[in-house]
Amino acid sequence: NAGVMQNPRHLVRRRGQEARLRCSPMKGHSHVYWYRQLPEEGLKFMVYLQKENIIDESGMPKERFSAEFPKEGPSILRIQQVVRGDSAAYFCASSPPGTGDSPLHFGNGTRLTVT
Amino acid sequence: EDQVTQSPEALRLQEGESSSLNCSYTVSGLRGLFWYRQDPGKGPEFLFTLYSAGEEKEKERLKATLTKKESFLHITAPKPEDSATYLCAVLPGGYQKVTFGTGTKLQVIP
Repeated sequence: NAGVMQNPRHLVRRRGQEARLRCSPMKGHSHVYWYRQLPEEGLKFMVYLQKENIIDESGMPKERFSAEFPKEGPSILRIQQVVRGDSAAYFCASSPPGTGDSPLHFGNGTRLTVT
Repeated sequence: EDQVTQSPEALRLQEGESSSLNCSYTVSGLRGLFWYRQDPGKGPEFLFTLYSAGEEKEKERLKATLTKKESFLHITAPKPEDSATYLCAVLPGGYQKVTFGTGTKLQVIP
């Protein structure tokens, strides 16, 4: 009964490169969320997706960041032309379909370092 | 805008010394309040959901309570393995975005 799977666990990119973070939700879950966490700070909401739909991207920067959750395969968070300020831990969470008040279940994150 | 404030930021306890963590919130129409535990280098691990004022949930040495303005996480006779950051989060009504507090970092000394 696998939980939320994120890969890679660690990712190092030079300034200007692209970063692709992947997330496979728990079995039976159709809602995916991405959060960013900086050291000594809380989790900041970025985007909420359902299969093939972006429901809320109010926390995601307008430039360089994009997210998708295709019909088949994992959800992808893509950061183009990375800058040092993008260095953070990125967490994916999932929840089942239904009333919408179920707790989120998190993966162990991808730690992005931009050099 | 939804707000979640946790206190204290850090707490150091002797093993066996009970205490409480506070989570104050401002949200339009609370649909649920969640408590999580986060260990270094890991993702948050779900502990409890509370849905309405007066509700209580228990798990081993942890007990979560909820009022209309705040929630408490009571830790009874803690052990060193309870050391972690405890996060509180709220889910507002009519909306799906969960807002997190910055957490309380708990250290339990043997």
